[in-house]
Amino acid sequence: DGGITQSPKYLFRKEGQNVTLSCEQNLNHDAMYWYRQDPGQGLRLIYYSQIVNDFQKGDIAEGYSVSREKKESFPLTVTSAQKNPTAFYLCASSIAGTGYGYTFGSGTRLTVV
Amino acid sequence: AQRVTQPEKLLSVFKGAPVELKCNYSYSGSPELFWYVQYSRQRLQLLLRHISRESIKGFTADLNKGETSFHLKKPFAQEEDSAMYYCAPSPIRAGNMLTFGGGTRLMVKP
Repeated sequence: DGGITQSPKYLFRKEGQNVTLSCEQNLNHDAMYWYRQDPGQGLRLIYYSQIVNDFQKGDIAEGYSVSREKKESFPLTVTSAQKNPTAFYLCASSIAGTGYGYTFGSGTRLTVV
Repeated sequence: AQRVTQPEKLLSVFKGAPVELKCNYSYSGSPELFWYVQYSRQRLQLLLRHISRESIKGFTADLNKGETSFHLKKPFAQEEDSAMYYCAPSPIRAGNMLTFGGGTRLMVKP
């Protein structure tokens, strides 16, 4: 059953800690994306990767880091430098190229305590 | 600057009434255009894309290049259409990058 899986579903972080959100897909998609969803602000792009071992910053990359060592995996690390990390994080993947829709994961809700 | 605007945060209609969710964009050139939908407790999913000229669940979207708009329409709303809707243009030269609007919550009342 092909799809995209995000884990964990809920994550709590203490101030000053780094945390890593997992995103795995078995759709054989080349491109993967991380978005942050805040109420009333829609989705904002954090990082994206169009090929293994390459990724680019999105609109709000500060305080975040990613890696793309495997085609299937695109983990996101929320570092202590991110000033307001409490949010809902969505991972997506797509076929590379223009005009293809995204497949989204079910999301991870991160709360700083 | 590239921008996409969904002017209504909430749209409430009665069942059977026509629905129009507005989307305006400002991009140089002609972007590809998508609408995504998120039903309660479900994942965000693709509803339709301009390039395929499809009609999904009775929804259509017409590109108006003069007004740079891509409004989503349905002639007769159903209760199951209640959801969050996002307009998402993708600039042609930006690969498959999507910029999402702020979203419109559609509530269809019985």
